[in-house]
Amino acid sequence: GENVEQHPSTLSVQEGDSAVIKCTYSDSASNYFPWYKQELGKRPQLIIDIRSNVGEKKDQRIAVTLNKTAKHFSLHITETQPEDSAVYFCAACSDGNKLVFGAGTILRVKS
Amino acid sequence: NAGVTQTPKFQVLKTGQSMTLQCAQDMNHEYMSWYRQDPGMGLRLIHYSVGAGITDQGEVPNGYNVSRSTTEDFPLRLLSAAPSQTSVYFCASRTGYSTDTQYFGPGTRLTVL
Repeated sequence: GENVEQHPSTLSVQEGDSAVIKCTYSDSASNYFPWYKQELGKRPQLIIDIRSNVGEKKDQRIAVTLNKTAKHFSLHITETQPEDSAVYFCAACSDGNKLVFGAGTILRVKS
Repeated sequence: NAGVTQTPKFQVLKTGQSMTLQCAQDMNHEYMSWYRQDPGMGLRLIHYSVGAGITDQGEVPNGYNVSRSTTEDFPLRLLSAAPSQTSVYFCASRTGYSTDTQYFGPGTRLTVL
């Protein structure tokens, strides 16, 4: 089955700097790659996603890139703010029905 | 729309007890799933359903049962609770399209003593 690895497990950045989180997946048939943000005690919420027919997608300060050949995708957050502090999860959809998640990255933005 | 709702929010069980975690959605979503979240391990899929009457196993199904008698409801049953099932449980739903957004419920924090 699909396996998703996520790095780093923790990331500390200074306010205003950029943050990059990377994920790799194993199933070349996976076709959908969402990113979720989870604040302490809350449910995961989708922040951006990318489909396998697209190489890059941007939404204001957040962007995601996908390299199908290398089977990896990344989340880029620019001009980080304290409210970006949270746990971020990547995921890959395999078998058309199973969303498999990475282990998560704790992002701390220091002001 | 209430979205995805879960009850209870918190539960404490003793080893060997059984219980049902409730999940409901009012978005007419065909696909529903259950995840457990443990520190450092992300969200792991327990069971999922692609429609009423159809369920299948995820990564960690042992010790859990599900059924889907209606489109709206997808309860998760713990047959004989064990301390290893202490976790936060999230229910999620989406349309029948695998590339559509999956929405999560608020979660149930379960402690098994």
